[in-house]
Amino acid sequence: QLQLQESGPGLVKPSETLSLSCAVSGDTIDSSSHYWGWIRQSPGKGLEWIASIHYSWSISYNPSLKSRVTMSVDTSRNQFSLKLSSVTAADTAVYYCARVGNGLDYWGQGTLVTVSS
Amino acid sequence: EIVLTQSPGTLSLSPGQRATLSCRASQSVSSSYLAWYQQKPGQAPRLFIYGASSRATGIPDRFSGSGSGTDFTLTISRVEPQDFAVYYCQQYGSSPLTFGGGTKVEIK
Repeated sequence: QLQLQESGPGLVKPSETLSLSCAVSGDTIDSSSHYWGWIRQSPGKGLEWIASIHYSWSISYNPSLKSRVTMSVDTSRNQFSLKLSSVTAADTAVYYCARVGNGLDYWGQGTLVTVSS
Repeated sequence: EIVLTQSPGTLSLSPGQRATLSCRASQSVSSSYLAWYQQKPGQAPRLFIYGASSRATGIPDRFSGSGSGTDFTLTISRVEPQDFAVYYCQQYGSSPLTFGGGTKVEIK
């Protein structure tokens, strides 16, 4: 059974860089035709897609965040990562990683990241 | 960017009633790449419908999706207690992927 697990700091200071990783088990990133993505949900709000990456390093970004987003993939560890720079309080959210198949068919449990000094 | 508008914002129903949720797109969704998700408090969204009308693995047949182009519908034939949640539509046919604002199905 495919599982995804987010990890990273739960608290980030304003203007710093948020860094998260997503470990994938039950599927191999570099043998998959799928993209792997990040989605966030601000407290009490809806869902916002951030970006998606293929193991070939093809990346698709949400234009509203593109200037601050870096995605990478580590096939040796079967995981992919997100960096979001120059964070503000507006970036406080639950961050989810997911597999992009027919829709977002597998999700991690999510990790809350709070931006505060 | 394709904007998805869901209606109603809240649907108040009694168990056993039929639920009809709407998702309207600002432009045609490519190849019916439209999905529906259920989200309960404190949980990640769960894929229910993909390709506008295909049920994901393990989703009961009281859930059905329909529509094409710019108008899509999620129907729950008879709402059961575990179905009370927020439902989101999402298009994945063009970048950026976008979500609707959600419909909350609550107990009347």
